[in-house]
Amino acid sequence: DVKVTQSSRYLVKRTGEKVFLECVQDMDHENMFWYRQDPGLGLRLIYFSYDVKMKEKGDIPEGYSVSREKKERFSLILESASTNQTSMYLCASSFHPGRPSSYEQYFGPGTRLTVT
Amino acid sequence: SQQGEEDPQALSIQEGENATMNCSYKTSINNLQWYRQNSGRGLVHLILIRSNEREKHSGRLRVTLDTSKKSSSLLITASRAADTASYFCATMNYGGSQGNLIFGKGTKLSVKP
Repeated sequence: DVKVTQSSRYLVKRTGEKVFLECVQDMDHENMFWYRQDPGLGLRLIYFSYDVKMKEKGDIPEGYSVSREKKERFSLILESASTNQTSMYLCASSFHPGRPSSYEQYFGPGTRLTVT
Repeated sequence: SQQGEEDPQALSIQEGENATMNCSYKTSINNLQWYRQNSGRGLVHLILIRSNEREKHSGRLRVTLDTSKKSSSLLITASRAADTASYFCATMNYGGSQGNLIFGKGTKLSVKP
């Protein structure tokens, strides 16, 4: 079974802190994604990566950065946390298009981040 | 950018009844997928339908796709309390880069025992 794990289920940070959210997948997926989920807004893509050291901005990259030094790990960084970044953060991974079963995304359990 | 829009936003039914959720989208797609999310958890892939398919079944799930109307529906037959969850459609566009999906806002289904 594919497993996508996230470093924390719940996290509370103070305004201005630097926050690291870690995601690890064990299926050798090329693609990895970070979403945030807010009530009434659904899932919005923050950043994605289709290879090691590669990254692309999603729909709402402002205030975030990412790091992918190894294929299995994709980190989301909040440089200076703000209260409007309080949200549920979901990591996902998938194969690169063209490989069998490449379109399905596998999600981690989510990290509920509260910034006070 | 939001592509899929689910309808209704919320649905409450009795156990044993069928549940139908709809999804509309705006641009040409490669495929459309449905995901389920139990409260406070990650999403789980349910079913994928390609743009050249019209209907697909998986267990108690039936998905239809009408590309002329840019819409899809998810039918859950003989619903169970365990089906209580939010359901999201997600589209992969033609020419979409690297397998990105665009998710709708979801339908919250409540199945009462």
